[in-house]
Amino acid sequence: QMQLEESGPGLVKPSETLSLTCSVSDASISRYYWSWIRQPPGKGLEWLGNIYYGGSTKSNPSLQSRVTMSEDTSKNQLSLKLTSVTAADTAVYYCARGRAYGSGSYFWFDPWGQGTLVIVSS
Amino acid sequence: DIQMTQSPSSLSASVGDRVTITCRANQNIINYLNWYQQKPGKAPNLLIYAASSLQSGVPSRFSGSGSGTDFTLTISSLQPEDFATYYCQQSYSSVTFGPGTKVDIK
Repeated sequence: QMQLEESGPGLVKPSETLSLTCSVSDASISRYYWSWIRQPPGKGLEWLGNIYYGGSTKSNPSLQSRVTMSEDTSKNQLSLKLTSVTAADTAVYYCARGRAYGSGSYFWFDPWGQGTLVIVSS
Repeated sequence: DIQMTQSPSSLSASVGDRVTITCRANQNIINYLNWYQQKPGKAPNLLIYAASSLQSGVPSRFSGSGSGTDFTLTISSLQPEDFATYYCQQSYSSVTFGPGTKVDIK
């Protein structure tokens, strides 16, 4: 059964770059879409972006200029970079498999990793 | 941007109750609407996709309905393991989530 595991520094200083990795087991990342989603403590979910076959990406317009997503098929890993972080970027960050159907407008997330908490603080 | 709202924001219910949660979009999203359950400290879990399709492995007491701008998630008989927060998510244009509905014990 496919499993996803996020990893990375739990503490990042303001103005620096947040870098996370999502390791996928029991599935090849080149066969699926992948997504990043975050959740500030005690708050709701925010979609960050998707990475598609071949590495093309689509990001949340509200974060587009700060978000970079990529894949490393040799390691079967995904990566997320978020630049110029502030305290507002403190959140649990999740990776998830994206499932698309039809024209692609049917899009949902399943399964999810367990998430990793990133705190932005000096 | 498509904005999603959910009502109520929280509710208290008893085991065995029928529970209905509403999700509303600020424009027509056809049926590009999904539902997730999240328990404290855990990742969200997909319940319903495309408004009314039950995800494999999800108990049949969960059901979804609706189209256009108004959608509902119904739990026909609330079980102890169903106390959680529920989120809707649209994919008609970009991706946005609703703010969540917390279901707790009365």
